[in-house]
Amino acid sequence: AQSVTQLGSHVSVSEGALVLLRCNYSSSVPPYLFWYVQYPNQGLQLLLKYTSAATLVEGINGFEAEFKKSETSFHLTKPSAHMSDAAEYFCAVSGGSGNTPLVFGKGTRLSVIA
Amino acid sequence: GAGVSQTPSNKVTEKGKYVELRCDPISGHTALYWYRQSLGQGPEFLIYFQGTGAADDSGLPNDRFFAVRPEGSVSTLKIQRTERGDSAVYLCASSTRDSPDTQYFGPGTRLTVL
Repeated sequence: AQSVTQLGSHVSVSEGALVLLRCNYSSSVPPYLFWYVQYPNQGLQLLLKYTSAATLVEGINGFEAEFKKSETSFHLTKPSAHMSDAAEYFCAVSGGSGNTPLVFGKGTRLSVIA
Repeated sequence: GAGVSQTPSNKVTEKGKYVELRCDPISGHTALYWYRQSLGQGPEFLIYFQGTGAADDSGLPNDRFFAVRPEGSVSTLKIQRTERGDSAVYLCASSTRDSPDTQYFGPGTRLTVL
């Protein structure tokens, strides 16, 4: 079984500041891990994914995440926040390769202050 | 190209009524997923199709929920005797055989049961 915990339902940062969104996972098998972003009234868009290759994963819009097995973490970072980054972010885990359902965290709403 | 589409975008119904929600996946995608996202929560898995057959329906909450995909493309999620607790955004996603771990989401159908 898999589960995801996202620490902080709401994170607020100033424009230009570091963005750090936390995600910890639990999985009984080697996990695949994902970050999705959801803008208001839109569907989920994949930011990046970890599928057992490089532990540091680069995604779209300047985001990256590092898989740390020892900490069971997959935190999302971006060096400099932009106003357009304001959205809901979801971390998700699946049970590895093949078609397996995603298990999502509850999400973190990111606000960016000018 | 065209993404995953879902119709209707909004559906308001009365308690006890029957509703159908439609998902049109990306052309050529063999796998199709249904998720439900309640207010303030992450999406929760309902059912997954590989081709025409339901490969995993373990997330369906009860027998009032049913989904079909008769020709391996469009899918319909059917909810009988709707209850107020069924109010949520219903998301559909699809993926390819070559990259099964990457799911592409539609914009969702917002269902409101009065």
